[in-house]
Amino acid sequence: QQQVRQSPQSLTVWEGETAILNCSYEDSTFDYFPWYWQFPRESPALLIAIRPVSNKKEDGRFTIFFNKREKKLSLHITDSQPGDSATYFCAASASSGSWQLIFGSGTQLTVMP
Amino acid sequence: GGIITQTPKFLIGQEGQKLTLKCQQNFNHDTMYWYRQDSGKGLRLIYYSITENDLQKGDLSEGYDASREKKSSFSLTVTSAQKNEMAVFLCASSISTQDTQYFGPGTRLLVL
Repeated sequence: QQQVRQSPQSLTVWEGETAILNCSYEDSTFDYFPWYWQFPRESPALLIAIRPVSNKKEDGRFTIFFNKREKKLSLHITDSQPGDSATYFCAASASSGSWQLIFGSGTQLTVMP
Repeated sequence: GGIITQTPKFLIGQEGQKLTLKCQQNFNHDTMYWYRQDSGKGLRLIYYSITENDLQKGDLSEGYDASREKKSSFSLTVTSAQKNEMAVFLCASSISTQDTQYFGPGTRLLVL
């Protein structure tokens, strides 16, 4: 059972465009949603995270939009750069009960110069 | 700052072999984790430990054992390697389960 789903599996955009990566989840108790990015031959690292006290979290060119009613969130990368090319993982966990961080299968982003 | 070290970087084993992977962290974090990453898939939790000598099973614990010998180290044992198995095993640590997890460089396993 896949509790965290990501789409698309892969995405290619041109430099300067906005990349939109989607994530949905099933468990309504999830209340923490970090995004990790992973460059080829490297380990995942935290990029940005949101707790649903807010519908939006911004950090420079990276913005998370959160829709609690639809159990969906998206990561927008504005003015995409070739250096943003990586695999992006959406994850989710609940602060009560099983805290376990559940990862999606990732979106592989390629930014063409 | 701190660093997580995983040994070995590459591990080639034989079917049925018992294999041990090691992880060390100097963040002074209480919680440590072992994840498995298969090509094209997300990370799946094998074991975690919230303090020295503590062990908790993740969703993928079958076929694995773990040991938290001291606060800074966490070992994972593949009890019987499966033929053609190929995956990356990632160790991570965090202050607590609610905090950011920091990942090590990984051990790449290939079973012949």
